[in-house]
Amino acid sequence: NAGVTQTPKFRVLKTGQSMTLLCAQDMNHEYMYWYRQDPGMGLRLIHYSVGEGTTAKGEVPDGYNVSRLKKQNFLLGLESAAPSQTSVYFCASSTGYEQYFGPGTRLTVT
Amino acid sequence: SQQGEEDPQALSIQEGENATMNCSYKTSINNLQWYRQNSGRGLVHLILIRSNEREKHSGRLRVTLDTSKKSSSLLITASRAADTASYFCATDAGGGSYIPTFGRGTSLIVHP
Repeated sequence: NAGVTQTPKFRVLKTGQSMTLLCAQDMNHEYMYWYRQDPGMGLRLIHYSVGEGTTAKGEVPDGYNVSRLKKQNFLLGLESAAPSQTSVYFCASSTGYEQYFGPGTRLTVT
Repeated sequence: SQQGEEDPQALSIQEGENATMNCSYKTSINNLQWYRQNSGRGLVHLILIRSNEREKHSGRLRVTLDTSKKSSSLLITASRAADTASYFCATDAGGGSYIPTFGRGTSLIVHP
């Protein structure tokens, strides 16, 4: 079992560029989440999904889009990156209680 | 907005000592969880305590929950250098949402 994996691990973008972060889980979990973690701010929920084909907004959804076409994958897109999106992004999956986290993607937008 | 707030923000102790960190929250919860995050890594689930439970143990971890005071505490006994990490509480309001809200965390340093 790989658990939760995230691709890529690091990325540097210029302002205005776009990219997609991929999260994959092999635990057959229904729930998947995208968080961002900034110094002193803890984890903030961007978007989440309660099952294949569903998505919903979290606390800080602006500037991000998501898709869950397959149960095991949850994609996070940045259409036009901004320096304020410099952060560490974590994906997690869950059956409803305990969350399993990926290793994170460190994104820098210059 | 963050539901749970950990206290203290930072804690520095010697190996062998006990570490206590607290979490306060504002609204009613269904359950409360504690997670650990080692530097540069993802969070790892430690323990879940439900709103009808008052205390729970797991190895060297002891979690208490006081719903009347809307607070929880995590006690790590006989700390080791390997316990150095950030610790987060996460609260779930229930209602079938399964959307935990995380606090800002307590940074624990255990000196060998």
